[in-house]
Amino acid sequence: QKEVEQNSGPLSVPEGAIASLNCTYSDRGSQSFFWYRQYSGKSPELIMFIYSNGDKEDGRFTAQLNKASQYVSLLIRDSQPSDSATYLCAVNSGYALNFGKGTSLLVTP
Amino acid sequence: EAQVTQNPRYLITVTGKKLTVTCSQNMNHEYMSWYRQDPGLGLRQIYYSMNVEVTDKGDVPEGYKVSRKEKRNFPLILESPSPNQTSLYFCASSFGSGRGQETQYFGPGTRLLVL
Repeated sequence: QKEVEQNSGPLSVPEGAIASLNCTYSDRGSQSFFWYRQYSGKSPELIMFIYSNGDKEDGRFTAQLNKASQYVSLLIRDSQPSDSATYLCAVNSGYALNFGKGTSLLVTP
Repeated sequence: EAQVTQNPRYLITVTGKKLTVTCSQNMNHEYMSWYRQDPGLGLRQIYYSMNVEVTDKGDVPEGYKVSRKEKRNFPLILESPSPNQTSLYFCASSFGSGRGQETQYFGPGTRLLVL
């Protein structure tokens, strides 16, 4: 089984700060990497995807990928209380998509 | 509205009583998938389908069956449910499994309790 590892948290940051979420994966053949956000009791929703090494920015979110280190991260700038949720890292492995267990983020006012 | 729908949303059943959870998408997606989500274990893939009549096992297929007779529908069948299948189930779909097509859209989830 291909592993996707995330720190479960909770990660607590004050409002306006930068939240940094990390993920490592075991399948060196993986090509596609995703970050999903899941509010309690709701279904996951896509935040970003990244395919190439480096940074990809979308609004307050930046995804970073380092394939050599098998590492992907998500930065959330100017964190808001509405960002409080569980963030799931997902990595493709062939036709399957493997998810990490998620990191719980709490943004405190 | 583009969406993935699941039915039922909540289900309480007893051990051994066959049940089906339906999943339907209206986005003409080729790829569909079923996941279960359990506390401390995260989202785990049960089965996926790359297209009509093409399915494959995910990480936790034991005790489940699927079929893909039409592009839009991907039902999950529990032939003889057991208490360890109590979980939150999500259906998801995407345009395909190739790069650039893999973004998965999730249904609202089905909470299953097996007594």
